[in-house]
Amino acid sequence: GEDVEQSLFLSVREGDSSVINCTYTDSSSTYLYWYKQEPGAGLQLLTYIFSNMDMKQDQRLTVLLNKKDKHLSLRIADTQTGDSAIYFCAYHGSGNTGKLIFGQGTTLQVKP
Amino acid sequence: GAVVSQHPSRVICKSGTSVKIECRSLDFQATTMFWYRQFPKQSLMLMATSNEGSKATYEQGVEKDKFLINHASLTLSTLTVTSAHPEDSSFYICRMEPRGRNTEAFFGQGTRLTVV
Repeated sequence: GEDVEQSLFLSVREGDSSVINCTYTDSSSTYLYWYKQEPGAGLQLLTYIFSNMDMKQDQRLTVLLNKKDKHLSLRIADTQTGDSAIYFCAYHGSGNTGKLIFGQGTTLQVKP
Repeated sequence: GAVVSQHPSRVICKSGTSVKIECRSLDFQATTMFWYRQFPKQSLMLMATSNEGSKATYEQGVEKDKFLINHASLTLSTLTVTSAHPEDSSFYICRMEPRGRNTEAFFGQGTRLTVV
């Protein structure tokens, strides 16, 4: 089946690095995504990684993909209070259809 | 970048009435549109998918007569919650996929529906 698991909560201090983890079951998706949701708002695509890559870096964001273990992570360097939000990992379900399967979301709390 | 405008952002309605939520892509054509529902502190649950030129496909457990989706054009989709009940209170979010670019998914800002 299609399932995505994330830890629900992460608290870090401003300036530290944050690592948000995600495990998934269906490995057929060509792309895997990280979205950010601020309170009361829609989702903002942060970054995505092609499934044949194992790492992608984009400014403060680093995505690591371990396809063998079906594990995806998002590292935010120098975490700021503005990074406080819910982060969702997602992938295309059922063989690369447009349907996205989302994890439960990880709430990132950044303390000053 | 591509923008999806969703409104209203918040709506309060009485039980038994209907509410229409609109999503519009401002600078691209969306061949596929998705509607999600999100309960507090939970993930997004896909309600339905509509592709250009065809009727919406609803996920299991979603009542198509209650949640009416109209893919009016390549830039507009509406979700109408008919005969709303308090248990329909939720956060509804649309997502629009540009033609030929399924790595990009643009979400609306969401609509907080409260049924009293």
